[in-house]
Order: sequence, then structure tokens, then C-alpha cells
Amino acid sequence: DADVTQTPRNRITKTGKRIMLECSQTKGHDRMYWYRQDPGLGLRLIYYSFDVKDINKGEISDGYSVSRQAQAKFSLSLESAIPNQTALYFCATSDSWLASHTQYFGPGTRLTVL
Amino acid sequence: AQSVAQPEDQVNVAEGNPLTVKCTYSVSGNPYLFWYVQYPNRGLQFLLKYITGDNLVKGSYGFEAEFNKSQTSFHLKKPSALVSDSALYFCAVRDGGTNAGKSTFGDGTTLTVKP
Repeated sequence: DADVTQTPRNRITKTGKRIMLECSQTKGHDRMYWYRQDPGLGLRLIYYSFDVKDINKGEISDGYSVSRQAQAKFSLSLESAIPNQTALYFCATSDSWLASHTQYFGPGTRLTVL
Repeated sequence: AQSVAQPEDQVNVAEGNPLTVKCTYSVSGNPYLFWYVQYPNRGLQFLLKYITGDNLVKGSYGFEAEFNKSQTSFHLKKPSALVSDSALYFCAVRDGGTNAGKSTFGDGTTLTVKP
């Protein structure tokens, strides 16, 4: 079974709709991250959480919100989706007990906003 | 602020030839450096990392990378490329001097290995 899972894997929605992307992990890591990937732009950090009570904005948080429901769950919401939020979204985890903070990624959610 | 540059969008090599994917970085503290690989329709997978010690680090699938502090580089290498190595490769850096740091990723380099 995958250590980091994301649901849904694919989603097509319309402008103005509220969308939630979910991430779950069984690695026991305390830190979780949401990124978006656009062609030629690499990975850009949206939000990150160092523990259940800690939520931080990344470089492109406008238009997004997150919730850390438990150590193992971190969801990303688009309150009112717009077409330029069409992208591939990745959740990742890392363990603060390991100094390197190597990140482990989920399989991604492909979101299309029409 | 920290940053990563991958100067080549695309690298093409023939199977059996050596490959190099370039990465340069900028960070104020001690660099922790990473390479990740993304195969089509998959998430990123960790390949290798440099934290401290030997400048030549070895990772998965026969890949290695050389840390060069004076040139602030961390190039990914493999002596003999395979067609199955074709993928998107990301370099990342974080400041090892703080536990609160985050990783910054490069824009990625597409490696194509032709038979």
C-alpha cells in the first residue's frame, strides 16, 4: 500500500465551485506539504504544516486554504475555483526527527477548472 | 532566500552513454541537497541527498551526484544511461542550519534516453 495517498486522482470542475483535495499518510511523519506543478515552473509550495496545530503559507497561497485534521491528514481547499488553478497537485510529508527532511510525495491530483 | 537553478530544460543522451543533469544552488546556511525523479503520471521519488561528508553521494538506480561547494553545484550523473531513466528530474535545496527550513525545488530537467 502507498505511504502517501491523495484523493481524488483526477477532478474536472467548473469555475466558482468549491473543491477539496485530500491527503493521507501512513509514514508517521509530522510535517506535510501541498505543492502545485505547472509545466516549466517546477514545484511551488502552497501551504505547509509542521504539526497538527501549525499551518503556514507557502509562496502561492492566495485562493487556497488548508486543514490539518490529524497528524496523518492534510486537506487542500479551493474555495472558488478559477481556470488558472488548473494544475497537478502534490502532497508530501517529511519527518522532523530526520535532519535531512527528505520529502515523500503522493501520486498527485490532476485538477482541471473549466 | 534560497534558490535552485537547473539550466537545461531538456537533456538527450543515447543509451549506454554517460549522463549529467546540472544543478546549481544558493543558500545562506549549510546546504542540504536532493535529487528527485518523476516518472510519467507518478509523484516525485527521492533519488539521493547530500547532507555532509563525502562529496560524491550514491543513490538509487545507479545514480550519483557530486557536491561542489566552490561552484555551488550538485550535478546528477550516471555512467551508463538506460532508456528507463527517461523522466523529469528535480534538484532541491534546503538550509541545514535550521529545523524550520523548507526545500526549494528547481524547475526540472527532462531527461530523454534514446535506444
